[in-house]
Amino acid sequence: EDQVTQSPEALRLQEGESSSLNCSYTVSGLRGLFWYRQDPGKGPEFLFTLYSAGEEKEKERLKATLTKKESFLHITAPKPEDSATYLCAVQAPRRAGTYKYIFGTGTRLKVLA
Amino acid sequence: EAQVTQNPRYLITVTGKKLTVTCSQNMNHEYMSWYRQDPGLGLRQIYYSMNVEVTDKGDVPEGYKVSRKEKRNFPLILESPSPNQTSLYFCASSPGVGGDQPQHFGDGTRLSIL
Repeated sequence: EDQVTQSPEALRLQEGESSSLNCSYTVSGLRGLFWYRQDPGKGPEFLFTLYSAGEEKEKERLKATLTKKESFLHITAPKPEDSATYLCAVQAPRRAGTYKYIFGTGTRLKVLA
Repeated sequence: EAQVTQNPRYLITVTGKKLTVTCSQNMNHEYMSWYRQDPGLGLRQIYYSMNVEVTDKGDVPEGYKVSRKEKRNFPLILESPSPNQTSLYFCASSPGVGGDQPQHFGDGTRLSIL
């Protein structure tokens, strides 16, 4: 069964304290792995797409990496404004010519000043 | 401003009273989709539409209907809502379905069915 699991569920960091969020997945025919940020009362906001093992993407204090079984979102020297829920999703074939998106339940990140 | 707009943002209603949640995008996107988000379950896809011609069931379509009569709009219809449909709903759109075409989400509609 296709599945996406994120850990930890919640994470509290001091400002400047770097850490990593994990997204492990089992899916047949991975087309892409997405990272989103979700703020309270808002919809998910796209951060990165990764396609193949070994790929890395960076944006400001965030860096996403991908292996054949998992992805990491590394947060370097986080600031309070990085506090949010981070969602991971995979895209895989559904039926002929169509695709499905499987989301993890997210990691709630709180960065303390 | 490029955006996906959902209405209403909040709704409290009663079992069996038909309701429609509207979704509109101004980015000329082909692909549109509806999700529900429940604690501990993540976002689950209800229905999706590849384009105006093609609409299909997602992972949790029971109790829902959709309509795609024009490219920009994709309303979600609950013909006879039940309490188990109480949830946070998101509409999303993308140019297509490639990995290089990520979904843009609306800000959500919180439905409470009493």
